[in-house]
Amino acid sequence: SQQGEEDPQALSIQEGENATMNCSYKTSINNLQWYRQNSGRGLVHLILIRSNEREKHSGRLRVTLDTSKKSSSLLITASRAADTASYFCATAVLLWGNNRLAFGKGNQVVVIP
Amino acid sequence: GAVVSQHPSRVICKSGTSVKIECRSLDFQATTMFWYRQFPKQSLMLMATSNEGSKATYEQGVEKDKFLINHASLTLSTLTVTSAHPEDSSFYICSARDMAGWGQETQYFGPGTRLLVL
Repeated sequence: SQQGEEDPQALSIQEGENATMNCSYKTSINNLQWYRQNSGRGLVHLILIRSNEREKHSGRLRVTLDTSKKSSSLLITASRAADTASYFCATAVLLWGNNRLAFGKGNQVVVIP
Repeated sequence: GAVVSQHPSRVICKSGTSVKIECRSLDFQATTMFWYRQFPKQSLMLMATSNEGSKATYEQGVEKDKFLINHASLTLSTLTVTSAHPEDSSFYICSARDMAGWGQETQYFGPGTRLLVL
C-alpha cells in the first residue's frame, strides 16, 4: 500500500530559486527516503532520513522529518536546470529484515534556465 | 557506487506472448531484489520481493502466475510477464539491496524496462 504522499504539485521555478516539496504518510516508519527520476528513467537515491532524525543535509538538499505530524519536506536550494525531474518520497518499513518501500505520487519539478 | 542493470531497456511484444526482464546487481551481491511497476505519471507500486533461493513474496493484488519471478543467484533476478496483454504495458523497475549491509536501508534501482504489448 502507498504510504508516502506528496502534495500534488507541479513546480515550475526559475533557475537559482529554491524548490520545496512535502510528503505525508500514515503509519510508523523506519526511515524516509527521497528519490529523483528523470523522464522515463530509473530512480536515483537522493537522501535518507531515519525516524529518529529531524533534519539532514546533503549538498543543496535539505530534508526534514516530523514524525509527530508524519510529514517530511525536501528543499532544493539554488536550483539548476539539471534539477528538472520528478521527485518521490518513499517510506520504509522494516519487515522480515527488509526495508519495504512505499512510494508517494511524486512531484514534477521544472527549473527554467 | 552500487550499480543495478536491467535488460532489455525496452521491449515491444504481441499480445499473448511472454516477456522476460532481467535485473542484475553488477558489483555487489543481493539476496533480496524488489520489482516495481510504474504507469505513466504515476508512482512506483511494489509488485513483489524476490529472495534468492526461495519463492518471491507478492503484494496483494499481484498475480504470481502472471508475473513469474526467479531469483536464481545472488546477482540475478528475472521477472517474466506471461501471456502479456496490452494492460500489462508499463515501466518495470527493479531494485536490489546489498547483502553486505544487513539492515541497510538503501535500495539501488535499475534503469527500468519499458514494456509495450500490442
